[in-house]
Amino acid sequence: ETGVTQSPTHLIKTRGQQVTLRCSSQSGHNTVSWYQQALGQGPQFIFQYYREEENGRGNFPPRFSGLQFPNYSSELNVNALELDDSALYLCASSPHGGNTIYFGEGSWLTVV
Amino acid sequence: AQSVTQLGSHVSVSEGALVLLRCNYSSSVPPYLFWYVQYPNQGLQLLLKYTSAATLVKGINGFEAEFKKSETSFHLTKPSAHMSDAAEYFCAVNVPNSPGNQFYFGTGTSLTVIP
Repeated sequence: ETGVTQSPTHLIKTRGQQVTLRCSSQSGHNTVSWYQQALGQGPQFIFQYYREEENGRGNFPPRFSGLQFPNYSSELNVNALELDDSALYLCASSPHGGNTIYFGEGSWLTVV
Repeated sequence: AQSVTQLGSHVSVSEGALVLLRCNYSSSVPPYLFWYVQYPNQGLQLLLKYTSAATLVKGINGFEAEFKKSETSFHLTKPSAHMSDAAEYFCAVNVPNSPGNQFYFGTGTSLTVIP
């Protein structure tokens, strides 16, 4: 295990709703990244947070937003859910400037 | 821009046979390269990484990979497959100090081990 924990593990939402996913980073890691993994695909970078600010963003619309807290934990918020948002959402943590990221078990989101 | 191509979305090998999973990358600058493994309904676990030291990298569970700059490849091998190696394998590229430290993943290779 990496020490990165995510919640919830599974959830089902209706199209148009909003969802919040949570992540606690590994001890000593101050940087958190979020990835979306659609079925049968590799993970796609959503964004990274460092010092409670967004530090880089992939090709995702603004309805994907995040937060990082002083204890380095993080939230991913998705508004106006669409069916295509159904995926495994992975959180990864690392020390700032570290060359490796360590993943949690993920949160499975199904949008119906 | 960075990208990763994994040749073969599905690979089947017999137990005890050689495992070879292919990965080619494209990067405008010298990259770091990684292999991650994903077991069913789990997150990604780091197998090994290349970060500009030795070109032959050894990882966990008997896996190794060789960075070949001239071929832009980072193929994953294991001399003898075990049933527990059945999983999805992802190759990833990362550019040091890039914004967001973004990792680019391939689409994955599903490894089946036949008893």
